[in-house]
Amino acid sequence: GENVEQHPSTLSVQEGDSAVIKCTYSDSASNYFPWYKQELGKGPQLIIDIRSNVGEKKDQRIAVTLNKTAKHFSLHITETQPEDSAVYFCAALLAGGTSYGKLTFGQGTILTVHP
Amino acid sequence: DTEVTQTPKHLVMGMTNKKSLKCEQHMGHRAMYWYKQKAKKPPELMFVYSYEKLSINESVPSRFSPECPNSSLLNLHLHALQPEDSALYLCASSRGQGSYEQYFGPGTRLTVT
Repeated sequence: GENVEQHPSTLSVQEGDSAVIKCTYSDSASNYFPWYKQELGKGPQLIIDIRSNVGEKKDQRIAVTLNKTAKHFSLHITETQPEDSAVYFCAALLAGGTSYGKLTFGQGTILTVHP
Repeated sequence: DTEVTQTPKHLVMGMTNKKSLKCEQHMGHRAMYWYKQKAKKPPELMFVYSYEKLSINESVPSRFSPECPNSSLLNLHLHALQPEDSALYLCASSRGQGSYEQYFGPGTRLTVT
């Protein structure tokens, strides 16, 4: 089955700096890669995703890049703010043939943005 | 609107109790999911319903019993749980039909005493 590794496990930055979180996946057939942000006491929130036919996607201060050859994808947050502090999870999914998707999650990154 | 609602927010139950968790979405999504999340860990998939039929059971113990009464509702019936079942139980939904974005609810914090 699919295996997703996520690094680093904790990341501490100053407000205004950039933050980068990296994930690798094992199944080259995986073709959908979402990122979730989970704040304390809340459910995971989908913040951005990318499909395997795209190399990069941006949404304001966040971007995701995908390298299919190397089987890794990354989340980039620019101009970090204290409200970006949360746990971030990457995930991979092999989509196709069914009407639902089975996500495999990374272990999570605790991001702390210091004012 | 990408809202998935879950009730109750918190639940404390004894090992001999029977309780149910409820999840609702009105986005017209046809796939619904139950996940279990322990502290500082990622969500773990338990069950998937697709078009109101159970499609995946990730070898979950029978003390957890899912039910999908209609396309908007998902229940998780709990019976004879163990203290190690204490966790955050998350519901999610996705549109299906080739769309895989999963939207999560806020979860039910379950404590088994």
